[in-house]
Amino acid sequence: GAVVSQHPSRVICKSGTSVKIECRSLDFQATTMFWYRQFPKQSLMLMATSNEGSKATYEQGVEKDKFLINHASLTLSTLTVTSAHPEDSSFYICSARDRGLAGSDTQYFGPGTRLTVL
Amino acid sequence: QKEVEQDPGPLSVPEGAIVSLNCTYSNSAFQYFMWYRQYSRKGPELLMYTYSSGNKEDGRFTAQVDKSSKYISLFIRDSQPSDSATYLCAMSADYQLIWGAGTKLIIKP
Repeated sequence: GAVVSQHPSRVICKSGTSVKIECRSLDFQATTMFWYRQFPKQSLMLMATSNEGSKATYEQGVEKDKFLINHASLTLSTLTVTSAHPEDSSFYICSARDRGLAGSDTQYFGPGTRLTVL
Repeated sequence: QKEVEQDPGPLSVPEGAIVSLNCTYSNSAFQYFMWYRQYSRKGPELLMYTYSSGNKEDGRFTAQVDKSSKYISLFIRDSQPSDSATYLCAMSADYQLIWGAGTKLIIKP
């Protein structure tokens, strides 16, 4: 149980294009999903927290107009990197908190998406 | 069977004890092994990063990888209450990370 998937696993795009990354909780409902980015050999940096049916909460320094987050259902959240540039190249990881585990802080992490912007 | 198995705990030990945290895995292609520490309501912090087999030491932390047994460990010496957190293992063969469920560690003063 508690599996989180991400799609695509890897994407290469041209500068200026938009890229959508999906995060799904496969066998549980997630009221809260988190989006992180990670540079090589560094810690995960929290970008935003999304709650189902409401607007995402962005961390300081993260541009909400550039990183659009939609959490339309209890099993799906999407991150869209709009007008991507080479400096957006990174590893993006989502995680989800199980709605059924009341009071639990446990997050289940997805496998990540490697974005390369040329 | 999950690709990575990690006992969720909680693991409760007295201050000063040596802590041993472990993960087992099934995919022999994994080459990169990581340990993260996550405090409540914070993002995971990378503690140790190991490539292939062997030991790596950083202060009070030692990471061990035994590829023949498909077993990795994180040891914490002289444990402190501030070490209380959830510890997650993660590993990869390429760009994708496969995560353990995380072990909740409690260090009692």
